[in-house]
Amino acid sequence: DTGVSQDPRHKITKRGQNVTFRCDPISEHNRLYWYRQTLGQGPEFLTYFQNEAQLEKSRLLSDRFSAERPKGSFSTLEIQRTEQGDSAMYLCASSLTGGNPRGYTFGSGTRLTVV
Amino acid sequence: GQQLNQSPQSMFIQEGEDVSMNCTSSSIFNTWLWYKQDPGEGPVLLIALYKAGELTSNGRLTAQFGITRKDSFLNISASIPSDVGIYFCAGVNYGGSQGNLIFGKGTKLSVKP
Repeated sequence: DTGVSQDPRHKITKRGQNVTFRCDPISEHNRLYWYRQTLGQGPEFLTYFQNEAQLEKSRLLSDRFSAERPKGSFSTLEIQRTEQGDSAMYLCASSLTGGNPRGYTFGSGTRLTVV
Repeated sequence: GQQLNQSPQSMFIQEGEDVSMNCTSSSIFNTWLWYKQDPGEGPVLLIALYKAGELTSNGRLTAQFGITRKDSFLNISASIPSDVGIYFCAGVNYGGSQGNLIFGKGTKLSVKP
């Protein structure tokens, strides 16, 4: 296992288009998190899954955003009708429930640019 | 979203100098984490702190978990050019029903050879 994988690494899209990102967590990790990071800021929590259940969504996750983890393994984050304010790095992380915080591992992120 | 207060925002130092940065929160956490992020990459964990008052080292890095559980600092001794990057603190109440990290805004470190 090579860690948390995210695809694509970069995405440029026109305003109004839909985009979908994929995250493959570390295989034995049952928790999966999505964060958004804008320029000059730290990552901000969007949502997380425990296995296939989406247990929490932050207020940053507008109705245009939807995340899924259908089989408790990989996850997708879709943004509909993208806006310029959606331009950011989208980071995925995974961990074990109640496990050592050292095991909380981030992927390299997907950089979204909305033009 | 909520973010921790991290300072300084940026530092420009000479190679060999020591660096200190800190983070404060209005909330209590049971775990503090320090990450380093290189351009175009995700954060990479440097040090994890689990108990109030704990002082932990990782090579040239030393971090402490504040007694009030609302603050932490990170020191880097004898800086080298590869220390360049953005350092983030993060607080979490690990083991609970959530486990999402609350990050600071980062300290951007530049090292002049």
